[in-house]
Amino acid sequence: GGIITQTPKFLIGQEGQKLTLKCQQNFNHDTMYWYRQDSGKGLRLIYYSITENDLQKGDLSEGYDASREKKSSFSLTVTSAQKNEMAVFLCASSSRTGPYEQYFGPGTRLTVL
Amino acid sequence: AQKVTQTQTSISVMEKTTVTMDCVYETQDSSYFLFWYKQTASGEIVFLIRQDSYKKENATVGHYSLNFQKPKSSIGLIITATQIEDSAVYFCAMREGQGGRALIFGTGTTVSVSP
Repeated sequence: GGIITQTPKFLIGQEGQKLTLKCQQNFNHDTMYWYRQDSGKGLRLIYYSITENDLQKGDLSEGYDASREKKSSFSLTVTSAQKNEMAVFLCASSSRTGPYEQYFGPGTRLTVL
Repeated sequence: AQKVTQTQTSISVMEKTTVTMDCVYETQDSSYFLFWYKQTASGEIVFLIRQDSYKKENATVGHYSLNFQKPKSSIGLIITATQIEDSAVYFCAMREGQGGRALIFGTGTTVSVSP
């Protein structure tokens, strides 16, 4: 087994501010993901990384940057926080070679004032 | 284009009964993987069960089972002997092909289990 940790749990920022969310996993998984979940909605992909130093854009990548510093960590930066970005950001990881189910962290709840 | 659709927004059932929820998907790939996840009231997302497209047998894990109807592009989740703690939002998801691709999620079905 393993665990995914996300920091911070709650993030409050000002409109226009640059904000960074961090994710760590100890599953030894190759692939890591960032999703955004708006209230009462499903999950939408922002970025994913197949391996260290790899970055792939998801459908929601505009306004975000990502960084895969090492195999176990994946960071997401909101480049300029907007009021309509109040959401929960979820990090996940999975094996690259299978099985392919993803395991999720507890999330970071972003509030923009 | 890939798409996952859950048309049931909410279902209410009595404890110890069976609940079934629907999911249909669209894909051009001949190989794909289907998943069900549970999101609890605390926001935690838990992987429940997986169906590989090339397998004819319906997957079963504990009191979760799947109804995989490939010709209809349908993957239903069945929960038997429901418990209060099964109250949650259930998401269907699909992953195409090989490699490190992400999941496409449905919008979720809220299940409420009453005593």
